Order: sequence, then structure tokens, then C-alpha cells
Amino acid sequence: EVQLVESGGGLIQPGGSLRLSCAASGFIVSYNYMSWVRQAPGRGLEWVSVIYSGGSTFYADSVKGRFTISRDNSKNTLYLQMNTLRAEDTAVYYCARSNNWFDPWGQGTLVTVSS
Amino acid sequence: EIVMTQSPATLSVSPGERATLSCRASQSVSSYLAWYQQKPGQAPRLLIYGASARATGIPARFSGSGSGTEFTLTISSLQSEDFAVYYCQQYTDWPPYTFGQGTKLEIK
Repeated sequence: EVQLVESGGGLIQPGGSLRLSCAASGFIVSYNYMSWVRQAPGRGLEWVSVIYSGGSTFYADSVKGRFTISRDNSKNTLYLQMNTLRAEDTAVYYCARSNNWFDPWGQGTLVTVSS
Repeated sequence: EIVMTQSPATLSVSPGERATLSCRASQSVSSYLAWYQQKPGQAPRLLIYGASARATGIPARFSGSGSGTEFTLTISSLQSEDFAVYYCQQYTDWPPYTFGQGTKLEIK
């Protein structure tokens, strides 16, 4: 079964750092394009970052320079390192396979940035 | 960046009736358009890709149409489990991937 499971969310103070993980099963992360998408409370979906199968990475302007996407091929896991967090980064963060459309999606992990 | 605009923001429909949701792109996306369903507390689920192809396990009452800049998601006979928020997403010009703002389908 193809599945993604996120972890690492939590409550963090403004300016802090957090690393999210997304463990994949049923397919190989490094053979695919993989993305992070977030959803602020009561809001729509916002694409955050993608890592291509070849290793290239891209970011939304809102997180460029603060977030870093990466993967560990030996663990078949995707990561999102989030630094200098702001209140507006509060959201549920989803990982998803994103070769074109997004499928499958993980269940999401909540990140709350608040003092 | 291609901007996706969905209408209406909220649609009220009775069970058993047909629902028609719209998505417009700020420039042509050909048929590179996907639709997602999201229920409260759940992750989005892929419904339609390539503007009209149903994803695995999606019931035949869901259909997608359109090309270029105008797209439609039709649910032919609404079931109780279909009331949710629906998003469109273009994948012709990325990154960035862009989503519409969503249409909430509610029970009338």
C-alpha cells in the first residue's frame, strides 16, 4: 500500500526551528517528485516546497531562505527543516507525491508558532 | 504564476441533486488540471487528473470537463459523503504549483 506518514509538528515559539519528517511506504521517494503543502487554520492549500527526483529543490516565496527540503534515501523519508518560524507559518503541513498532481497525501502534522 | 479562481465560494445543494463547481485559470493550462476533495480533519484526496480522468476508486458520479482556462467538476447525484471542500490545481507551469481557493459544498 502506498502511504505517507508525517511527524515532527508541535508548538514552537516565533524565531524557532522545527524539522518535519514524512516516511513513505509502497514507493521510493527518490524516484519521485515530493512536495510539502500547508493549510493555515480555516484557509486553503498552499504549496510550500518540492524536491525533484534529480535532487533540485524549489520553494514558495513565503518560505524561501527559511525552509529547506531534503530526503534520506536510505530511510525513504522526506524532510522539511523550518527555521526562523513566524506566526503566519502556523498550519497543518502535508507531504505528498507530486509528479504532476498530488497523490497520495500524508495525514498532516500541525505546526503552531506562538509565544 | 498561474492564478486559479474557483466559484462559487460556497454551494448549497440538496442530496440527490447535481452539483457543478467551476475553476478558471489566469492563462491556459491545457488539460493539466486536477481536482481534490477535502473533508474536515482529513487530508485532501485526489478525485480527477488530466481535467477529466477519475483517480483510482473515485465513483462515476464525479466527472471533470474543460480545457484551456475553464473547468468544471460535476457531481451527478449528491451523496451525504460528498459534502466537503473541493480544490482545483494546475500542473502545466510549476513550480509554483497553484491551487484554487476552494469551493465548500454544503447541504441545502
